[in-house]
Amino acid sequence: QQKVQQSPESLTVSEGAMASLNCTFSDGTSDNFRWYRQHSGKGLEVLVSIFSDGEKEEGRFTAHLNRASLHVSLHIREPQPSDSAVYLCAMRGTGGADRLTFGKGTQLIIQP
Amino acid sequence: DAGVTQTPRHEVAEKGQTIILKCEPVSGHNDLFWYRQTKIQGLELLSYFRSKSLMEDGGAFKDRFKAEMLNSSFSTLKIQPTEPKDSAVYLCASSYWGANTGQLYFGEGSKLTVL
Repeated sequence: QQKVQQSPESLTVSEGAMASLNCTFSDGTSDNFRWYRQHSGKGLEVLVSIFSDGEKEEGRFTAHLNRASLHVSLHIREPQPSDSAVYLCAMRGTGGADRLTFGKGTQLIIQP
Repeated sequence: DAGVTQTPRHEVAEKGQTIILKCEPVSGHNDLFWYRQTKIQGLELLSYFRSKSLMEDGGAFKDRFKAEMLNSSFSTLKIQPTEPKDSAVYLCASSYWGANTGQLYFGEGSKLTVL
């Protein structure tokens, strides 16, 4: 069974400083990795969806994927208090369907 | 376009009751997923439909959980009978299989509290 581990569980960053979140996965068979954000009481909002090793940028959010080390990270440039939320890493199963396995999340707090 | 719509947003049930949660996927999507979210376990897959056919039924949830998709624009999740450990947020998500966009759209969830 595929597994996804996220670190840290909680992170506090000052407004404007870079925020970095990490995710390791159990095997390299997936073709797609994603980062989602979830504000309290809301659904999941996709931030970055990455298919290939390397970097993908979506606005202030940049994901780095390294399949060889079973690792994907998310970097948030110039975070704002409104970015305070739970960030979830997910990997897609094989077969092309969006059947995702999620990590348990990182609670990010951006202090003004 | 409307996103994924879930109702009710909040439900309080007594132990032993039957509850039904509802989901309307994004129009035109052919894959639909039900997830359960708790602080301890995170997001766990309950059921997965493709073009209304059940593709996966989460093993640990088979006994009291039943998801159905009677038409392409509506799905239900029935929990019968409810237990306090079922207290969680239930999320529905949809996507278009074959597009390979890496996009899965989530509803805002139904928060269930079982007393």
